[in-house]
Amino acid sequence: GESVGLHLPTLSVQEGDNSIINCAYSNSASDYFIWYKQESGKGPQFIIDIRSNMDKRQGQRVTVLLNKTVKHLSLQIAATQPGDSAVYFCADHGSSNTGKLIFGQGTTLQVKP
Amino acid sequence: DTAVSQTPKYLVTQMGNDKSIKCEQNLGHDTMYWYKQDSKKFLKIMFSYNNKELIINETVPNRFSPKSPDKAHLNLHINSLELGDSAVYFCASSQAGAAFGTQYFGPGTRLLVL
Repeated sequence: GESVGLHLPTLSVQEGDNSIINCAYSNSASDYFIWYKQESGKGPQFIIDIRSNMDKRQGQRVTVLLNKTVKHLSLQIAATQPGDSAVYFCADHGSSNTGKLIFGQGTTLQVKP
Repeated sequence: DTAVSQTPKYLVTQMGNDKSIKCEQNLGHDTMYWYKQDSKKFLKIMFSYNNKELIINETVPNRFSPKSPDKAHLNLHINSLELGDSAVYFCASSQAGAAFGTQYFGPGTRLLVL
């Protein structure tokens, strides 16, 4: 079956540094990916998405890179702030039309002041 | 003006009991979902409804029964609760029933079965 995995369960960075969170997926037919941020005690919150016809997408302080050759995507957060501390999930939409998302296990980002 | 709301936020109950979790969205979305998040933060879809019609039904025990009275509501009823049902349950909704609709999540219901 399809799977989505993250390389590191925890990432600790200094405030002001850039953060990179990685994700690998297994389904080469996957056509849409989403990054979510989950703060403690809250539900996942949409950060940024990317379709398979793109290899890069930028938002405010965040960039998602997609490498379809190696089935890998990453989330880059510029100038990481304490408010960025959370669990980050990548989600794979696969190639179905049902809206089903397969989530990775999450990377906990800890920002040190 | 919460977009996706769930009640209750916390639910502590005994094994064998039956309980319900309610979800409402005021975003005008067509599709709603239930997810289960375990103690390791793994998030897995359980069900999805599009305009009150069931479209995703993952391998979930039939003790779990979703009910959608209208497209703004998706409730989850759980019979004969077991210890392993303890988790955080999230409701979500999206605009499109298919393809690229971004899913918006509720705050979660923390279920503890004793």
